[in-house]
Amino acid sequence: IAGITQAPTSQILAAGRRMTLRCTQDMRHNAMYWYRQDLGLGLRLIHYSNTAGTTGKGEVPDGYSVSRANTDDFPLTLASAVPSQTSVYFCASSDRVGSPLHFGNGTRLTVT
Amino acid sequence: GQNIDQPTEMTATEGAIVQINCTYQTSGFNGLFWYQQHAGEAPTFLSYNVLDGLEEKGRFSSFLSRSKGYSYLLLKELQMKDSASYLCAVMDSNYQLIWGAGTKLIIKP
Repeated sequence: IAGITQAPTSQILAAGRRMTLRCTQDMRHNAMYWYRQDLGLGLRLIHYSNTAGTTGKGEVPDGYSVSRANTDDFPLTLASAVPSQTSVYFCASSDRVGSPLHFGNGTRLTVT
Repeated sequence: GQNIDQPTEMTATEGAIVQINCTYQTSGFNGLFWYQQHAGEAPTFLSYNVLDGLEEKGRFSSFLSRSKGYSYLLLKELQMKDSASYLCAVMDSNYQLIWGAGTKLIIKP
């Protein structure tokens, strides 16, 4: 079934540890996004990529990095996790900028 | 600053009609999206409005007034499975999506 796969589904991480959240899509979408969702707040964009080989900063990029080596994969790395990065992380894609987003099932991350 | 406002929570009865409002103030406008998100799941796309007026899609309709910075999502013949959060998002002049915090809709039998 075509779609977006995120891994892991959930993770408990000690503060200061490095962590990479994986995201793979098989729809050949050009644009990909990483959001975090926190209770009482709207989805907040962390980083995005309009096409393979390019990335950009969103609303809350500090403490996170991304890469887009190919069309399908868009990993998100936390270099040194802090408790404020406890959140649900959603990866999303769209066939072009401005099209509706398709979301992965999310990664629930707890930083202790 | 950019802002999207929608009610935090609404309650409705199975079989009834409910209207979820969304007001926005953004730097430019390139369309408004509605998404549905069941608890513990990913958001899924419901509707897109870029011109004023009503877009109907089955039991769901979405309305837009750009001059008023206002949209609503209308759900008819409510079913228990419609219990979910409904997210309003506006695409600004830079084609970035600005998201509301979502409206949790509770359906009672």
